[in-house]
Amino acid sequence: DAGITQSPRHKVTETGTPVTLRCHQTENHRYMYWYRQDPGHGLRLIHYSYGVKDTDKGEVSDGYSVSRSKTEDFLLTLESATSSQTSVYFCAISEASVLAKNIQYFGAGTRLSVL
Amino acid sequence: AQSVTQLGSHVSVSEGALVLLRCNYSSSVPPYLFWYVQYPNQGLQLLLKYTSAATLVKGINGFEAEFKKSETSFHLTKPSAHMSDAAEYFCAVSSANNQFYFGTGTSLTVIP
Repeated sequence: DAGITQSPRHKVTETGTPVTLRCHQTENHRYMYWYRQDPGHGLRLIHYSYGVKDTDKGEVSDGYSVSRSKTEDFLLTLESATSSQTSVYFCAISEASVLAKNIQYFGAGTRLSVL
Repeated sequence: AQSVTQLGSHVSVSEGALVLLRCNYSSSVPPYLFWYVQYPNQGLQLLLKYTSAATLVKGINGFEAEFKKSETSFHLTKPSAHMSDAAEYFCAVSSANNQFYFGTGTSLTVIP
């Protein structure tokens, strides 16, 4: 998985509790992304980062926040989890260079269930 | 805005038959286009990419895709399906600011 580790891999939580998912990379890539995958929707971008402390919203950012204090770590936080946030979450990285041709590499995913 | 449309959420083929998975894109500028494959309980793996060089792109596992600007298409093909090809396939397009837009996916079933 191109040096990308997501933790935890599985989590069950209750509605209203905060949840933090972690993505750690060893590739020193500039860009990091959080997606959620749901049946019939493919992958939808939640937030992405283009550098330390530089983040921006994606298509489905409501209810989520992110932080990137180091190049290698990108955290996704659900401040107060809801059942609609039950999903599989993927982290991806990308190197912004002409040579890299914008290829994204994905982690193995985190399966989150909100009861 | 950029987007991709994958026609057919489920495709079934017999082992040894041609695989054709369809993808159409909308982009205001020449895009980077990708096909990714996802096996059960795994992340996405890059199959192939188009980056404005040759219009016929060869990828891993015998897959290839042809970029047709006039049809705004980037269909994925494989001459002979193998049981191990059963997976979910995603077409994606990237923008100049490194954002990616994925299709909704096509689930490929290979019938023995």
